Amino acid sequence: RKEVEQDPGPFNVPEGATVAFNCTYSNSASQSFFWYRQDCRKEPKLLMSVYSSGNEDGRFTAQLNRASQYISLLIRDSKLSDSATYLCVVIPNTGGFKTIFGAGTRLFVKA
Amino acid sequence: DGGITQSPKYLFRKEGQNVTLSCEQNLNHDAMYWYRQDPGQGLRLIYYSQIVNDFQKGDIAEGYSVSREKKESFPLTVTSAQKNPTAFYLCASLRQGRNTEAFFGQGTRLTVV
Repeated sequence: RKEVEQDPGPFNVPEGATVAFNCTYSNSASQSFFWYRQDCRKEPKLLMSVYSSGNEDGRFTAQLNRASQYISLLIRDSKLSDSATYLCVVIPNTGGFKTIFGAGTRLFVKA
Repeated sequence: DGGITQSPKYLFRKEGQNVTLSCEQNLNHDAMYWYRQDPGQGLRLIYYSQIVNDFQKGDIAEGYSVSREKKESFPLTVTSAQKNPTAFYLCASLRQGRNTEAFFGQGTRLTVV
């Protein structure tokens, strides 16, 4: 089983739609969680951190479910500019800060 | 401005040659990472280093080597033992603590010709 798993998609949605991605992780001792965004042929950039209590940043909401070992990202009112690959990132609490990326979920938002 | 610089942006290698990819950061981060990304795929960890003069193998270390002689620098050598080196290579460093975040360089595209 992979340490971090994501549905690769692609997700094809119309503008204005709400779309949700999930990411599961295998190490129950995982400490820190993030969502990164990667545009085509570019480096990944931090979209948002994921906190235990859940957090929201504009149209984006991230949640963590430690019991079921998954994190989620919800995008409301999708824009064309949201088209990208969304990477789930987990840092296990092993003391080594071995940062682990999921394979990414591709999102295409259509006009 | 603080950040991570990778060079070169594009690199062509003949089969059987070793090449070294540069990664420099002036963010004063202890932890640094090298990832490989193939078309349509996610990031796979090659090597990581938590501190100067120490590094650990990631999931796909075979055919690669690294050094960490200075905090600012974490070069990656792609050796001739790496059978399929054509890929996009990303270097990252990690800001640890309350606002943990990984910062990436712009990447190096390596092509074997």
